[in-house]
Amino acid sequence: NAGVMQNPRHLVRRRGQEARLRCSPMKGHSHVYWYRQLPEEGLKFMVYLQKENIIDESGMPKERFSAEFPKEGPSILRIQQVVRGDSAAYFCASSRANTEAFFGQGTRLTVV
Amino acid sequence: GQSLEQPSEVTAVEGAIVQINCTYQTSGFYGLSWYQQHDGGAPTFLSYNGLDGLEETGRFSSFLSRSDSYGYLLLQELQMKDSASYFCAVRSRNSGYALNFGKGTSLLVTP
Repeated sequence: NAGVMQNPRHLVRRRGQEARLRCSPMKGHSHVYWYRQLPEEGLKFMVYLQKENIIDESGMPKERFSAEFPKEGPSILRIQQVVRGDSAAYFCASSRANTEAFFGQGTRLTVV
Repeated sequence: GQSLEQPSEVTAVEGAIVQINCTYQTSGFYGLSWYQQHDGGAPTFLSYNGLDGLEETGRFSSFLSRSDSYGYLLLQELQMKDSASYFCAVRSRNSGYALNFGKGTSLLVTP
C-alpha cells in the first residue's frame, strides 16, 4: 500500500558494513511490523513495535539485528556487519491496534 | 509456537473457482487474514475473519472455522491477473497480536 513508505527501495552493502532500513507508517498507525522474505519463500516475521516499545521480537536474530520505532520519525531496522545471507527483501507493515496491516513496497538488500 | 499450513501451488483455469485452504495451530488465536502478493511486490490485504463464517468481498470470499483451526480463501471468476501468491496469516493474543504468515500458495491461472 502506497501509504507505508519504505526507503531505500534497493540497498547494496559490502560484507561487514551496516544496513539501515527505514519505514514510515501510514498516518494514524502506531503499530509497525518488519518481515523478511527470501525469493520464492513466505514472509517471515521479525519484530513488532509500537511507538518507543518492542512488543514482540521473537523473529529477530539474536545478533547484529535491531529495530526501533521512536516517538518521532520512522521505524528503523538496523543490520550490523552484514553477511551474504542477509540478502533478502525486507517488508514493513503498519496498522492501528489489531486491525489489518498495510505493507510498504519493501527494501531489497543485496550484500556483495 | 505457531504453525500454518497451506498448499504450495495451485493451478486453475480462467473463469473457474479455486479454494486455497489454510490450517493453523496457535494458542490465543485472534483472527485469520489473507494477503495477495504479485512477483515479490508489496503484499496487499484481501480479507479478515475474526469469527466463524464466511466473509465476502467481491470475487473473493474467506471462511473460518475456529473449532477446526481451518480457513480458506475462495476466488471466483478467476482472471489472469489473479496469478499471484496468497498468504494466510494469524493473529494471536500470545504474540502481542502480531501477524504470522504461512509460506504462501502460488496460484497460476491459465487460459
